[in-house]
Order: sequence, then C-alpha cells, then structure tokens
Amino acid sequence: AQSVSQHNHHVILSEAASLELGCNYSYGGTVNLFWYVQYPGQHLQLLLKYFSGDPLVKGIKGFEAEFIKSKFSFNLRKPSVQWSDTAEYFCAVNAASSGDKLTFGTGTRLAVRP
Amino acid sequence: KAGVTQTPRYLIKTRGQQVTLSCSPISGHRSVSWYQQTPGQGLQFLFEYFSETQRNKGNFPGRFSGRQFSNSRSEMNVSTLELGDSALYLCASSLGDSPYNEQFFGPGTRLTVL
Repeated sequence: AQSVSQHNHHVILSEAASLELGCNYSYGGTVNLFWYVQYPGQHLQLLLKYFSGDPLVKGIKGFEAEFIKSKFSFNLRKPSVQWSDTAEYFCAVNAASSGDKLTFGTGTRLAVRP
Repeated sequence: KAGVTQTPRYLIKTRGQQVTLSCSPISGHRSVSWYQQTPGQGLQFLFEYFSETQRNKGNFPGRFSGRQFSNSRSEMNVSTLELGDSALYLCASSLGDSPYNEQFFGPGTRLTVL
C-alpha cells in the first residue's frame, strides 16, 4: 500500500518569500503524483501533476514541483509567494494500477503575511 | 461546464442514525470517488465507482457503503452513525478510463454527528 508524508504541517511566510513544501511517498511501483490546494472556503483543486517524462513539472499560479525518483520525493516550490497563496496544500499519489484511488498526505497549512 | 455537485452541503444527525449523501459528477465523467476529510486523519479514500461497479475500496468498516447509478450519479450511505463519523465528505469525478485522468472535487458535505 502506498503512503505519503508531508514534513511541514504549518508554514508561515512573508510575501515575496520562496516556498518549498516537502512530500515523500512510499510505494514500490509506478506512481502518479499530484499537488492539490484548498483555499479557504473553496474546493480542492489540482495545482499540478506528474505522470512521466520531465521530472520538473509546472502548474498553475507559478507553482512547480520536482520528482526525484531516487528520493521518492515530489516537493512543491514557488519562488515568490503572495498573500493569495494562503491555503492548505496536499500532496497525493496514485498507484498507476489502482484506478482513481488517491492517497493523500496530511496537508500543509500555509499562511502568507502581507 | 457544471462542476461536481454534492447534496446536502450540511447535515446534522445523531448517533445510531443513518445518512445518505449524494454526488453528481461532471457531465461525461464515469468515475466517482469518495473521501473522508477530518482534522485528525486528513483525507482518506473511501471507495471509487466506475460504470456502476465498485472499482476500489479503502479501509473503512462495512457501515460505509456506496453505489453508482446508470447516469453516473453516486450515493454513499453510512449506517449506525458514530461520533467519529463527523467529517467533511468529498466526492471527486473523472472520466475514469485512464490513470492519467484528472479528478475534480466537489464542495463536500459536512456531516456532524451528535
């Protein structure tokens, strides 16, 4: 069974600071990797995804993530955060053979101070 | 294109009762997945339905059940409610015919068990 761990539960940054949120997964087979974001009072929405190919993937709103297979990691980055990035961020994995089942990390709450 | 809709949005029940939650996927989507979101456990996968068949199941007791209709709408039922069932129940839909399909989440149903 797959599992996902997110190292930071709460992160507080000032606007324009750089962001990196850690995500490690545990699974022996092929996985698809995702970052979802949940803005206050809104639905979960997809930020970016990795299925194959270039391990550096770019998503919406200036976010990117790098898949490092040897480290089982898929860290999320943004060079300069904005107040509007305040949200909860979830890393998720889907074993390629398990349909739509997503295994989520526990989430990281990001607060950006204006 | 209308998004995933869930009804009702809020529900209050007492211990021992049962509850049925409904999810209408995006038009054309054939896969519906259900997740439970709690502050302590985060997002946990309940089950996935594809073309009226349960394709995946999480580690929840048999009190949690679901079904999918021919129009892809899905319901989940929780019988003999316990206090610990208080949670936000999220539904997600996708085309379902490929591991690369994006899942779209609904706003959730917030269930409170008293």
